[in-house]
Amino acid sequence: GDSVTQMEGPVTLSEEAFLTINCTYTATGYPSLFWYVQYPGEGLQLLLKATKADDKGSNKGFEATYRKETTSFHLEKGSVQVSDSAVYFCALGNQGGKLIFGQGTELSVKP
Amino acid sequence: GAVVSQHPSRVICKSGTSVKIECRSLDFQATTMFWYRQFPKQSLMLMATSNEGSKATYEQGVEKDKFLINHASLTLSTLTVTSAHPEDSSFYICRARRDNSEQYFGPGTRLTVT
Repeated sequence: GDSVTQMEGPVTLSEEAFLTINCTYTATGYPSLFWYVQYPGEGLQLLLKATKADDKGSNKGFEATYRKETTSFHLEKGSVQVSDSAVYFCALGNQGGKLIFGQGTELSVKP
Repeated sequence: GAVVSQHPSRVICKSGTSVKIECRSLDFQATTMFWYRQFPKQSLMLMATSNEGSKATYEQGVEKDKFLINHASLTLSTLTVTSAHPEDSSFYICRARRDNSEQYFGPGTRLTVT
């Protein structure tokens, strides 16, 4: 079945460091790919998405490119801030409308 | 943007009682609603998918008699945890999907069973 695998956390970075959170997927068909963010005590928020191969999603300085050849959708940000501390979830959306989530990666940014 | 609400946001109940959680799409009609649960520091697990006016489809391993889902209208779905036990304590999150495939999460409901 469809699945998503993320790099394990927690990830601890200093402010202004470069961030990469790896995400790979297994799916039949042509899924859409998403990154969601969950701040402490809050619900999930859509961070960015890509609906087809080679699409790049971007928002708030975060980027991810849909790579069909490597079945990946890695999240990157050039310079993280303390306010980026949260849990990040990679997800795929299949034809049935279901969202399959990765296990989440906790990011902690220190000043 | 579209808004999905959940009520209550937090609930504490005694073991053996039932709890109903509501999920509402406030400014659009949701043809499909999904229910997830999330344990602390873990990912979201899809519990069931519900379409308005029809029975919910449950994921493998989810007890349909324990987690009753009703999708009575295009703006409201309810999840009832029957005879709740401490192991049902979790964060329950709904997701509402529009016809055009846009989807929105509710803020979640924290259930604590004592």
